[in-house]
Order: sequence, then structure tokens, then C-alpha cells
Amino acid sequence: GAVVSQHPSRVICKSGTSVKIECRSLDFQATTMFWYRQFPKQSLMLMATSNEGSKATYEQGVEKDKFLINHASLTLSTLTVTSAHPEDSSFYICSAEGAETQYFGPGTRLLVL
Amino acid sequence: ELKVEQNPLFLSMQEGKNYTIYCNYSTTSDRLYWYRQDPGKSLESLFVLLSNGAVKQEGRLMASLDTKARLSTLHITAAVHDLSATYFCAVGSFQGAQKLVFGQGTRLTINP
Repeated sequence: GAVVSQHPSRVICKSGTSVKIECRSLDFQATTMFWYRQFPKQSLMLMATSNEGSKATYEQGVEKDKFLINHASLTLSTLTVTSAHPEDSSFYICSAEGAETQYFGPGTRLLVL
Repeated sequence: ELKVEQNPLFLSMQEGKNYTIYCNYSTTSDRLYWYRQDPGKSLESLFVLLSNGAVKQEGRLMASLDTKARLSTLHITAAVHDLSATYFCAVGSFQGAQKLVFGQGTRLTINP
């Protein structure tokens, strides 16, 4: 089956720094990838839709200047959390769009101190 | 705006029992998904339901879809402890790309 990887799986950073998370589709090409965040004991909330070769589409309430998304190739999308603050601590999950379903990455747990 | 609601949100049951999780959604959609999430992990795809009346089964889990009622069910038969997890339904909302709107999740605990 289709495999999506994320890197890193876990990151701890200081407040004010930026963190980049990579999402890769390992055995298929994905024109569209999605970024979600999940707070403890809550559901997944879509942050943005990442389109290869074009600008990402952000959901209402998500700051595009804070969460920078780049989808430079058909197998790689990156999410950069700029000037991270403790309230950005969360579980970030990417997915890649397949023919009938989305394939989810293993997630990145971000802790901002 | 598409809304997806699951119930119950918490479910504690004994091994060997049967139960059903319900997923209601507010607007027309052509696809519905069920996922499992273990603590600290990402999502595992369980079922994709693409048409009215679709029924899929895998082991002790069976999912069905009624698009007219905008309702999907996930039925657990003779539960075992290994099925303890959080289960999410998600509904496809095509807006240029196939976005997913998730339900709140049902945290299932199965006791020996």
C-alpha cells in the first residue's frame, strides 16, 4: 500500500524558533497533500491543502504567514512553523491524496518550550 | 458547511459484547471513511465507503453507509481488548481537492 513518511517524528524547540516538518510520499506521486493538527484528546483539524507547484490553500483561522507550506515536488511537502510559541505545541499529521483515499503520515509531535 | 458528528464520544464495554458507533453528517457527500487511532499514533485506514448501501467488513468490524439518511455506522461484534482505540469517521468534501471533515472521535475501551 501507499506509504507516507514524516520527519521528524518528534521535536522540542524553544519559543521563537522555527521548525520545519517534512512529509513525503514514498511510493507514489501526490499532487495534493494535506496538513492537519491534533490537540490532545481532540479530533483532527485541517490546516491547509498543499498543491504541487502552487500556493497552499489555508483553512479559515489558520495564519498562512505563521504556517508556511511548500510543495516543491510530487513527493514532498513541508510545513514550517515560524516563530513557534507554546500554544503551537501539537501533533501535526500530513496526508497525501490517493485515488480513493488519503494516506496519512505517522505524525510529528511538536513541543515548544 | 459540512459538519460531522459521532456518538457516543466515549464507550466502555466488555469483551464479547456488540456495539455500534454512529456517524451523522450534514450535507451530501459521496464518500465516507473510518479510521482507527491508537494513543500517540497516526491514523490507520479501516474502511472507505463510496456508495449508498455500501457495507464493508473486516474481522470484528463492519461499516455501512446510508447516504439518504447521511448516516454511517461502525459495528463491533464480540469485542476484544485489542480493539480498544479511538475511532474517527470522516466525510469527503470536494472543494478542488477531496478534503476530509472529521468527526469528534469515539474513544473505545474494551475491558476484559
